[in-house]
Amino acid sequence: QSVLTQPPSVSAAPGQKVTISCSGSSSNIGNNYVSWYQQLPGTAPKLLIYDNNKRPSGIPDRFSGSKSGTSATLDITGLQTGDEADYYCGTWDSSLSAGVFGGGTKLTVL
Amino acid sequence: EVQLVQSGAEVKKPGESLKISCKGSGYSFTGYWIGWVRQMPGKGLEWMGIIYPGDSDTRYSPSFQGQVTISADKSISTAYLQWSSLKASDTGMYYCARLRGSSLTTWYFDLWGRGTLVTVSS
Repeated sequence: QSVLTQPPSVSAAPGQKVTISCSGSSSNIGNNYVSWYQQLPGTAPKLLIYDNNKRPSGIPDRFSGSKSGTSATLDITGLQTGDEADYYCGTWDSSLSAGVFGGGTKLTVL
Repeated sequence: EVQLVQSGAEVKKPGESLKISCKGSGYSFTGYWIGWVRQMPGKGLEWMGIIYPGDSDTRYSPSFQGQVTISADKSISTAYLQWSSLKASDTGMYYCARLRGSSLTTWYFDLWGRGTLVTVSS
């Protein structure tokens, strides 16, 4: 049971937009930066977003992140079949003095 | 090329010991924290702990404290994750990753290894 809560699954049609939420508390998201990772089937995770809303070079602007209070959101626009993957949020938890990940969200592009 | 290269898959019996490795190249290995992340079969990512190879400062997630040992040999740019007595529940994929951020509380993993699959079965 992760301290960060994500929906187990989301789905949308190609070309549409999807939003993945990550809910926490003041000991984690509320006072720390959030990062997001994409894990394609059978591969290692890949950094998508860091510092709440920054994209590493090479990540298309279809992927965007935001944070408000104790929740964070990953938006993916112009969905492609290649976006089908598991998505994870991550942050620091001050109570645990450790990093934490959300439980992950499986994106299906219908 | 900037990369983390992990050791190969392992099959072990309960009670056996194991040490897996993660070798960094293409960047200053001693200048960045390295983390270990567990992914049990069909499950999500779990943050295990991190080490700063420059001085071997190590931090563990409470869930993994006392269960594993993280170490590093900066002379060969390699980090390690080891178990003294494996259990079936240690079965999973283990990733190493390079940690970035202005401080530990702003961490993110920007470079990942391909993972080492550990199978513990009698």
